[in-house]
Amino acid sequence: SAVISQKPSRDICQRGTSLTIQCQVDSQVTMMFWYRQQPGQSLTLIATANQGSEATYESGFVIDKFPISRPNLTFSTLTVSNMSPEDSSIYLCSVANRGSNEKLFFGSGTQLSVL
Amino acid sequence: AQTVTQSQPEMSVQEAETVTLSCTYDTSESDYYLFWYKQPPSRQMILVIRQEAYKQQNATENRFSVNFQKAAKSFSLKISDSQLGDAAMYFCAYRGGNKLVFGAGTILRVKS
Repeated sequence: SAVISQKPSRDICQRGTSLTIQCQVDSQVTMMFWYRQQPGQSLTLIATANQGSEATYESGFVIDKFPISRPNLTFSTLTVSNMSPEDSSIYLCSVANRGSNEKLFFGSGTQLSVL
Repeated sequence: AQTVTQSQPEMSVQEAETVTLSCTYDTSESDYYLFWYKQPPSRQMILVIRQEAYKQQNATENRFSVNFQKAAKSFSLKISDSQLGDAAMYFCAYRGGNKLVFGAGTILRVKS
């Protein structure tokens, strides 16, 4: 199994600012994903972080709002830009190796509150 | 698009008793995987059990087992001998490619 370190674990931010969340894995992984979990709700996939190329975004999510970087096979960042209170959520990084029989492992999440 | 439905927003079980959480899904694919994840208040997503669609035998992991009905597209989780530490949000999830699609979740409360 992969050990995932996600930072920060929580933050309180002001409206209009940006926050970058880091995801570090202890081994090389093929796939890295970013999920959002709004209060009391399920997880929604934001995007797939692609190593060396632009992330693949799901419907309803755009690069200008959620820029993602993935410089190598063990690290990715998600930035929440120009934040509003509606962005208050838990953001989770998850990883897997290629192949649909592989389990997805999750980081411990970042609890974001926007005032 | 694949969808996952958990029709029970909340369930309660007495300690040491058995509880079943329901999940149905919709897909046109024949090869896929199904999962149950547990999310305690710590927010950590913990994989409970996994089922490959091509396997007829139901997966089991200690006190956790599934009832997989492929034709009915049903994938329920049975927790036997419930413990206080089982209290959490449980998510059913479908994976038909590289993406994982989650249900809305079921809150499980365990009474002592």
